[in-house]
Amino acid sequence: GQQLNQSPQSMFIQEGEDVSMNCTSSSIFNTWLWYKQDPGEGPVLLIALYKAGELTSNGRLTAQFGITRKDSFLNISASIPSDVGIYFCAGQAGGATNKLIFGTGTLLAVQP
Amino acid sequence: EPEVTQTPSHQVTQMGQEVILRCVPISNHLYFYWYRQILGQKVEFLVSFYNNEISEKSEIFDDQFSVERPDGSNFTLKIRSTKLEDSAMYFCASILGDWGFHEQFFGPGTRLTVL
Repeated sequence: GQQLNQSPQSMFIQEGEDVSMNCTSSSIFNTWLWYKQDPGEGPVLLIALYKAGELTSNGRLTAQFGITRKDSFLNISASIPSDVGIYFCAGQAGGATNKLIFGTGTLLAVQP
Repeated sequence: EPEVTQTPSHQVTQMGQEVILRCVPISNHLYFYWYRQILGQKVEFLVSFYNNEISEKSEIFDDQFSVERPDGSNFTLKIRSTKLEDSAMYFCASILGDWGFHEQFFGPGTRLTVL
């Protein structure tokens, strides 16, 4: 089946630092998405990427859809304590159902 | 702002018992999903539902699972005979339509614990 591998698995940083995480796939996706999950909550969409090579920003977040459509990265600049959580990439292959295939997740911890 | 709601927030059951997890998707949405997340692992697709029938299901969604939209607002996931390995967070999601990209809105989840 389709697999999305995310790295790193976890990051422990100081407030104010920039972070970067990425996601690679064995197969092509039409849409790449980045979600954040807080403890005890469902995933919340941060950024959606629709075209290969696309670079999109949302505040302090920047994400890129790889040219091969098999990878994506997410950068967070000037991290703050509320950035703590688990970040998931997700691919959407399209088709009739638009189901999401989630990556393995990156746990981010930010020390004030 | 409209949101997906799920009940109960936590369900504890004995192995072999039936459970029904309930979801109320956003009211004008047309596609509905169930996902599962075992503790510490990634979110996994279970099933998608459109026009009162299953449109796709994963290998996880075996004969013990079923979904239903009984009254036009609720969307339920039933597990007939729970196993220990069914313990997980179950998330419901919904989207507006199928043309182009539509954000999947997730509910807060139901934590199922099978003893």
